[in-house]
Amino acid sequence: DIQMTQSPSTLSASVGDRVTITCRASQSISSWLAWYQQKPGKAPKLLLHKTSNLASGVPSRFSGSGSGTEFTLTISSLQPDDFATYYCQQYKTFSEYTFGQGTKLEIK
Amino acid sequence: QLQLQESGPGLVRPSETLSLTCSVSGGSISGSSYYWGWIRQPPGKGLEWIGSNYFTGKAYYNPSLKSRVTVSVDTSKNQFSLKLTSVTAADTAVYFCTSDGSGSFWNYWGRGALVTVSS
Repeated sequence: DIQMTQSPSTLSASVGDRVTITCRASQSISSWLAWYQQKPGKAPKLLLHKTSNLASGVPSRFSGSGSGTEFTLTISSLQPDDFATYYCQQYKTFSEYTFGQGTKLEIK
Repeated sequence: QLQLQESGPGLVRPSETLSLTCSVSGGSISGSSYYWGWIRQPPGKGLEWIGSNYFTGKAYYNPSLKSRVTVSVDTSKNQFSLKLTSVTAADTAVYFCTSDGSGSFWNYWGRGALVTVSS
């Protein structure tokens, strides 16, 4: 299994801040990484795939970068709607998908 | 816009079989080259991919669950289903039905169904 580790586990920030969440893979996954946003009691929402491709309807303040084993999700200017838990997911090998443990983004 | 809705028992006894169905609206399973599958989330924990079925009927499973899981598609009802055998308390989770054309990440999600395994 490819292990995905996110940091930090919890992040406190204010509206308007620029924030970055890191996701590390236990082996190289090239650019085969997706990011999701999940709010309490709701299903996850796809934000980005193949590291940096925005999903349909996702605001441009979300961006992704990285390759190999280290990846980042950046929110350029936090909005009230962005406080949620974020998950990365690798899909290097078909049908062997794993997720990070999640990063909870809280209001400071 | 594709919409997915899970249904099934909220309580399953240990050692029995968990069965869930996902009803699809806004699109046809047989008319789309999509993958139809399931992801689960234990209470307060992270996400785990369970398995998917391509519209042709070929299924793919998480190696750690493969011996207990079946994901199947019923095109006549525009539904797909999950069966997980020999359940234990560790299988208690919110189960999400999912879909996407990629088969590797998921754009469409149901609202989730909590299944508790308990006697």
